[in-house]
Amino acid sequence: DAGITQSPRHKVTETGTPVTLRCHQTENHRYMYWYRQDPGHGLRLIHYSYGVKDTDKGEVSDGYSVSRSKTEDFLLTLESATSSQTSVYFCAIRDRDGNEQYFGPGTRLTVT
Amino acid sequence: KQEVTQIPAALSVPEGENLVLNCSFTDSAIYNLQWFRQDPGKGLTSLLLIQSSQREQTSGRLNASLDKSSGRSTLYIAASQPGDSATYLCAVDKGNSGYALNFGKGTSLLVTP
Repeated sequence: DAGITQSPRHKVTETGTPVTLRCHQTENHRYMYWYRQDPGHGLRLIHYSYGVKDTDKGEVSDGYSVSRSKTEDFLLTLESATSSQTSVYFCAIRDRDGNEQYFGPGTRLTVT
Repeated sequence: KQEVTQIPAALSVPEGENLVLNCSFTDSAIYNLQWFRQDPGKGLTSLLLIQSSQREQTSGRLNASLDKSSGRSTLYIAASQPGDSATYLCAVDKGNSGYALNFGKGTSLLVTP
């Protein structure tokens, strides 16, 4: 499982509140990703990181920000949550040896 | 933008059958292609990765092929079992955007005893 954990695993929050999701990896992989999965849309890239303090936007980045101050942690922040951000959020890493991506267990976020 | 399509969206087969899942992509300039399995309410499990220079990869009862020129990949599952029931996702890495993956919407497979 490439040592990827996500926290929290489930969260219910109200519209307008800030939310931060955490992804933690234990194997010093350079590349980390945040995707969201929604029925009818599949998985879509939100943001990715290619090193400490190096991040870039993905396909659906509006309303999200990220930070990576340490190799092992990649944080996803919803500054002011909206109902359209209700989704399952997956973190992933890219294995530096085999180029495969491995995914965390996911965070189910509900915005009411 | 790379579009990835998986057909069929759902498939039901009796146990023991061999089956093929299809994945097509619009831009043949890919870096690699990866197949995943996802069980309901769970995360993604990597099954196979095919580099752009490869034609196929095998793991146990699974065989994935890649035809870059036609923009197609297939996942062949031999002697299907009820435990193979899951959603299978195809994802393409174009080698840009930090090697991020573009996903198809998946094929939901049900193998009946």
